[in-house]
Amino acid sequence: GQQVMQIPQYQHVQEGEDFTTYCNSSTTLSNIQWYKQRPGGHPVFLIQLVKSGEVKKQKRLTFQFGEAKKNSSLHITATQTTDVGTYFCAYGGTSYGKLTFGQGTILTVHP
Amino acid sequence: NAGVTQTPKFRILKIGQSMTLQCTQDMNHNYMYWYRQDPGMGLKLIYYSVGAGITDKGEVPNGYNVSRSTTEDFPLRLELAAPSQTSVYFCASSRWGEGYTFGSGTRLTVV
Repeated sequence: GQQVMQIPQYQHVQEGEDFTTYCNSSTTLSNIQWYKQRPGGHPVFLIQLVKSGEVKKQKRLTFQFGEAKKNSSLHITATQTTDVGTYFCAYGGTSYGKLTFGQGTILTVHP
Repeated sequence: NAGVTQTPKFRILKIGQSMTLQCTQDMNHNYMYWYRQDPGMGLKLIYYSVGAGITDKGEVPNGYNVSRSTTEDFPLRLELAAPSQTSVYFCASSRWGEGYTFGSGTRLTVV
């Protein structure tokens, strides 16, 4: 079956450093979504990527979908303490939109 | 708009007890989902629904039941609670192919 690995599991950075999390699949993905979950909170939708090679930006966040649609990344430039949380990738099948979530990357930002 | 509302926020159950986790959304989304999240883990799909009267099992349905009598409501029933069901439960809704809107979660402990 489809397997998606999200790496790294944990990342500690100093405020102002960059951060990247990766989502790697053994098979082609139809789409990929990214979510952020603050400590003690609920996941919040960030973005969806559907096209091969797609790149989208939201302020300091850059999202990429690989050319082969087997991997995706989320990059944060100049992290801030407000970026703390767990970042999940999630991928959907072709039917009914139900998502499978990656294990998540826990980001800690030291001031 | 309230979005997705989950009740209760916290609950302690004794082994063998039953309860219903309530979820309602006011966005007229056809798709609704129940996920559970264990500490430090990703989200696992329990049940989902593509519209009123239609439900289907996700990855971890054992010990749970759902119903979808209206577009707005998607309650999750736990029968004969077990310690393995200690978790945080998230309800979510979406339109097909779009990002999920999550509720704030129910933290359940079974003792």
